[in-house]
Amino acid sequence: AQTVTQSQPEMSVQEAETVTLSCTYDTSESDYYLFWYKQPPSRQMILVIRQEAYKQQNATENRFSVNFQKAAKSFSLKISDSQLGDAAMYFCAYRSDNYGQNFVFGPGTRLSVLP
Amino acid sequence: DAGVTQSPTHLIKTRGQQVTLRCSPKSGHDTVSWYQQALGQGPQFIFQYYEEEERQRGNFPDRFSGHQFPNYSSELNVNALLLGDSALYLCASSLKPRQGKNTEAFFGQGTRLTVV
Repeated sequence: AQTVTQSQPEMSVQEAETVTLSCTYDTSESDYYLFWYKQPPSRQMILVIRQEAYKQQNATENRFSVNFQKAAKSFSLKISDSQLGDAAMYFCAYRSDNYGQNFVFGPGTRLSVLP
Repeated sequence: DAGVTQSPTHLIKTRGQQVTLRCSPKSGHDTVSWYQQALGQGPQFIFQYYEEEERQRGNFPDRFSGHQFPNYSSELNVNALLLGDSALYLCASSLKPRQGKNTEAFFGQGTRLTVV
């Protein structure tokens, strides 16, 4: 079974600064997808960024980018120019390409943005 | 275009009772997956429905059951409620899984269930 680990329960960053959230995962599969989701107090899971395992190039979405290290099974999220609205729970998630494509989520990292 | 809608938003039930939660998928989606998110934890997969059948199931007891209707909406039923069933229940909609293609999933805002 796949597992996802987020070793930082809480992080904080100064507004306009850069922060990196860590994620590691364990799988024996070669084809899968990785995601970062944001969950604000409204509770709705919002997709931040996705990465296909077969792609070597790291995904980027505006101020958000990932460092995907497939051999190390590491998938960190970098938030640049942090904004107050970035404050939320962030979940790293794994999705198999083989078994119904259900998500395996990590325990989450609570990000605070300090003005 | 309505996104994923869940009802009710909040619910309080007594231990031993039964509860039904509802989910309407995003327009154009035919697959619904349910997740349980206990306080301070990440969501855990309960089960997935498409073509009106349960297709995948996570490590949850038979007290958790579901249904999908012809219009693709879905219900999650929990019998004999335990205090430990208190959680946020999230519904995610997508297109039917296809190997080699990442089908985008959209989440609802969840139903907060409290068992007392």
